[in-house]
Amino acid sequence: KQEVTQIPAALSVPEGENLVLNCSFTDSAIYNLQWFRQDPGKGLTSLLLIQSSQREQTSGRLNASLDKSSGRSTLYIAASQPGDSATYLCAVRPRRVNAGGTSYGKLTFGQGTILTVHP
Amino acid sequence: DTEVTQTPKHLVMGMTNKKSLKCEQHMGHRAMYWYKQKAKKPPELMFVYSYEKLSINESVPSRFSPECPNSSLLNLHLHALQPEDSALYLCASSFFPTRDKRGYTFGSGTRLTVV
Repeated sequence: KQEVTQIPAALSVPEGENLVLNCSFTDSAIYNLQWFRQDPGKGLTSLLLIQSSQREQTSGRLNASLDKSSGRSTLYIAASQPGDSATYLCAVRPRRVNAGGTSYGKLTFGQGTILTVHP
Repeated sequence: DTEVTQTPKHLVMGMTNKKSLKCEQHMGHRAMYWYKQKAKKPPELMFVYSYEKLSINESVPSRFSPECPNSSLLNLHLHALQPEDSALYLCASSFFPTRDKRGYTFGSGTRLTVV
């Protein structure tokens, strides 16, 4: 069974700092990994999607890396801003589908990292 | 159109009421999902629809009844809910449920309160 862990659970930093959020997963047979942002009481906004064959993806101040063999992904946020304050979730999509189809289309989420960037 | 639209945004219902949540997408996605999210927890999968057919039911109580009338629309019918069913209900879609290099798109959710 795939398990996804995010460290740290919460992070508070001053504006302008560069920071790293970590995501680890136990089963390396993933199809891709997706990082999401969630503001309080809102839906999930996709930030970056990394395919299992890729090493990293970049969008603006965000950079996500993937090391499938070690079961790790990191989300790097450069020059953090108060508007970056949110919960960040990583989710993995399985490559293998169980005989009973129980992993069919099933994202496995980490518990999230709550980020606070203060002015 | 690159969005998943959910209505209503907020819903308060009594334990004897019947209500429905609606989800719509026009991205040509053939897989649609319902997730439930409790406070400070990650989303939990409830149902998967693939090509308008229910393919996964994660042992969800029968008081939740999903429906997919067409490839763009997904409903969740609610009846005789309990207060512990209060949560944020998220709809998502993707091009396909498996072997799809593209990601998931989530809606903004319906905040449900059962009184």
